[in-house]
This record gives sequence, C-alpha cells and structure tokens, in this order.
Amino acid sequence: GAVVSQHPSWVICKSGTSVKIECRSLDFQATTMFWYRQFPKQSLMLMATSNEGSKATYEQGVEKDKFLINHASLTLSTLTVTSAHPEDSSFYICSARNRDRTYEQYFGPGTRLTVT
Amino acid sequence: GQNIDQPTEMTATEGAIVQINCTYQTSGFNGLFWYQQHAGEAPTFLSYNVLDGLEEKGRFSSFLSRSKGYSYLLLKELQMKDSASYLCAPWDSNYQLIWGAGTKLIIKP
Repeated sequence: GAVVSQHPSWVICKSGTSVKIECRSLDFQATTMFWYRQFPKQSLMLMATSNEGSKATYEQGVEKDKFLINHASLTLSTLTVTSAHPEDSSFYICSARNRDRTYEQYFGPGTRLTVT
Repeated sequence: GQNIDQPTEMTATEGAIVQINCTYQTSGFNGLFWYQQHAGEAPTFLSYNVLDGLEEKGRFSSFLSRSKGYSYLLLKELQMKDSASYLCAPWDSNYQLIWGAGTKLIIKP
C-alpha cells in the first residue's frame, strides 16, 4: 500500500520553543493532507486540512497562528507548533489523500510530542 | 449533528469470528472507511465501502447499508495481532472523515 512518512517520530522540547513536523507521501501525490491530534484513549481530532499551494483550513478552536501548516508540494506538508506548551503534548498524525484515487487516504506513523 | 456509534470494547477468542457494528449519522455521505489502530500507532486503512453490500478482503469483510446508516466489520480466524482499536469513519458531504472513539478489540488465547 501507499506510504506516508512523518519526521520526527518523537520529539521532546522545552516550553516556549517551536517544533516542526514533516509529512511526506512517498509513492503518490497528495493534493490534500490532513493534520490530526490524538490524546490518550481519545478519538482522532482533525486540526486542519491543507491543499497544495493554498492556505490551510483550520477546524474550530484550532489556533492557526500557533499551528502553522505549509503544503509546499504534492508530497510534502509541514506542521509547526510555535511557542509550545505542556498542554500541546500529544500524538500528531498526518494523513494524505491520493490525488489519483481520492478515496484512498493513508496515515503517517505519527509524531509524539512532549513539551516539558 | 454528526455522530458515530460503536461498542467501546469487545472481547473474542483466537481463531473465532467477531463482528464490530457501527451506526452513523452524517451531513451527506460519500462512503465509509474502516481503520485499524494499534496502541501508540497511527491508523491503517482496512476497507472502503461506498455501495450497499459486502466487501471481502482476506480475513476482513466490511458491510454497508446506506439506508440504515449501518456498517459492520467482520474479522475471521482471529489472531492475537488483531488486538487493536477499530475505527469506523464515514465520509461526509465535504469528504471529511468523521471519527468516533472506535472499538477496542481484545483477543484472548
């Protein structure tokens, strides 16, 4: 099946610093990528939807100035958590939709962020 | 509103068959996905149904009834590695996946 990679797989940072997470579709082109956050034992929460070459659409309650999303190419999207705080500690998962088969949506392995 | 209803937890025996039910209410409908998620990992795609009926893929089958807002995932010949959460996720009119909390499946020897 199609592969989506995320980097880093886990990161620990200090409060107030920024962290960038990369999401890449390795063997298909993705016009749309999604960023999710998942707290322990809870369901996936969609944070934002990004389309290549345009601004991301953020879900209600998600601060766009805090969670910066860039979808620069058909295979790469980045999420930057700015001025991170301990409450931002979570499991961040990206997902990419196949441009040629739009019902196919694959998930990256996730990034576990811990803010101390 | 949009709503997904799945059992919170199910237990089954290795080698047996289990059916995980899902009912949904969405604003529009463009198909329904089933994903498997092991603890601490991201979801992996299992199946996609857009028409009524049964889709079979190896040990896993997925059924959809659009008129009833109902789907199920059938797992046969259960293996210990099937212990995971199973997420039913319909696609709404905007092609957004709607997520519930999923069903945690526990397989016992």
